[in-house]
Amino acid sequence: KAGVTQTPRYLIKTRGQQVTLSCSPISGHRSVSWYQQTPGQGLQFLFEYFSETQRNKGNFPGRFSGRQFSNSRSEMNVSTLELGDSALYLCASSRYLAGGTDTQYFGPGTRLTVL
Amino acid sequence: AQSVSQHNHHVILSEAASLELGCNYSYGGTVNLFWYVQYPGQHLQLLLKYFSGDPLVKGIKGFEAEFIKSKFSFNLRKPSVQWSDTAEYFCAVSTNTNAGKSTFGDGTTLTVKP
Repeated sequence: KAGVTQTPRYLIKTRGQQVTLSCSPISGHRSVSWYQQTPGQGLQFLFEYFSETQRNKGNFPGRFSGRQFSNSRSEMNVSTLELGDSALYLCASSRYLAGGTDTQYFGPGTRLTVL
Repeated sequence: AQSVSQHNHHVILSEAASLELGCNYSYGGTVNLFWYVQYPGQHLQLLLKYFSGDPLVKGIKGFEAEFIKSKFSFNLRKPSVQWSDTAEYFCAVSTNTNAGKSTFGDGTTLTVKP
């Protein structure tokens, strides 16, 4: 079974631009979560989508947004990029089991550099 | 809101030494607990997980962890480390009502000297 895939793997943008990252979950997984990983802040939760609806949101500004499509693929968008947005953006998928005993499986990430 | 604390930021061991990485969480309800590993240049991989039942869980590559509810701890252990275990290790917690939202510790970098 193919794992979580993320595209692109690397991105270089300049301040003020916007960017869209894509995530394809493991087949059959209906929940997609996004995380930001930086050396200073570690792994921080951005948001989670299930059935095209945002179920959870972390403490990030409104410049960070996302969506999920009917095939469970997800995109996240960052508008008006700032230098501090440089990070590894990780996508994780899970099956969304009743009872909440989900295991998240992570993709390789998209390395975003903002100049 | 839950939080996770990993006490060791950087651990250096020689091959064949035993490993124990500490992880404590704060949350009053039922939690799901995970250890992930991130090898250099690779993505985050699941080592082991605990949902319920036997508090001693075994994972891949000889790793195990013990859930001690009274101490809010989920420490990772391996009796004999190898050079290939050099990586960053993350403890994470989620709840049954928010299983898609994991809270991670800051990570522990393990360096194993050959």
